[in-house]
Amino acid sequence: SQQGEEDPQALSIQEGENATMNCSYKTSINNLQWYRQNSGRGLVHLILIRSNEREKHSGRLRVTLDTSKKSSSLLITASRAADTASYFCATDGRDSSYKLIFGSGTRLLVRP
Amino acid sequence: GAVVSQHPSWVICKSGTSVKIECRSLDFQATTMFWYRQFPKQSLMLMATSNEGSKATYEQGVEKDKFLINHASLTLSTLTVTSAHPEDSSFYICSARVTPRTDTQYFGPGTRLTVL
Repeated sequence: SQQGEEDPQALSIQEGENATMNCSYKTSINNLQWYRQNSGRGLVHLILIRSNEREKHSGRLRVTLDTSKKSSSLLITASRAADTASYFCATDGRDSSYKLIFGSGTRLLVRP
Repeated sequence: GAVVSQHPSWVICKSGTSVKIECRSLDFQATTMFWYRQFPKQSLMLMATSNEGSKATYEQGVEKDKFLINHASLTLSTLTVTSAHPEDSSFYICSARVTPRTDTQYFGPGTRLTVL
């Protein structure tokens, strides 16, 4: 079953603008990861944030994690048309199974 | 980075036939692989955890006799969809956990299955 929800479900922005996606989850986690998927393709790992971290950066990506609210956000700054894709958060629980449970995803469209 | 391949990338079959999908870790050993299914415009749903040398662990609601998983070596897991029906048409994606770096999983490119 899915761990949680992402919002918005879909987001359309102009190139150069920032895009923010939010993810909520239900159970305790070891870490939370963000993935990108182009239409009909596999997943690309973007960033991993551990449960004891609050913020992490990677290039134009900024991820925050609030374990008290069981939520995370992904910010893409200065978006480009090539950022158009679906973005998923995935949680790795504390049950030592290493299973990733994915959120519902956000479809991002960056208009040139 | 670690590379995971899947074969075939797409397959079309008739209803009632069985289809085998391979997932390979190309440059690392993977004691654990995972199989996901994704319907159009939806998220990935975990189907099962495949452990090398032992039986797979299936998620609730996934029929183990329908979706046969074999993890015979540290670099290969196979998913066989038996007696496929149109409702099995989906995008199947595998991932492999890099041992011993337990936090890291790498995903294959996916296999598009269409059952006529």
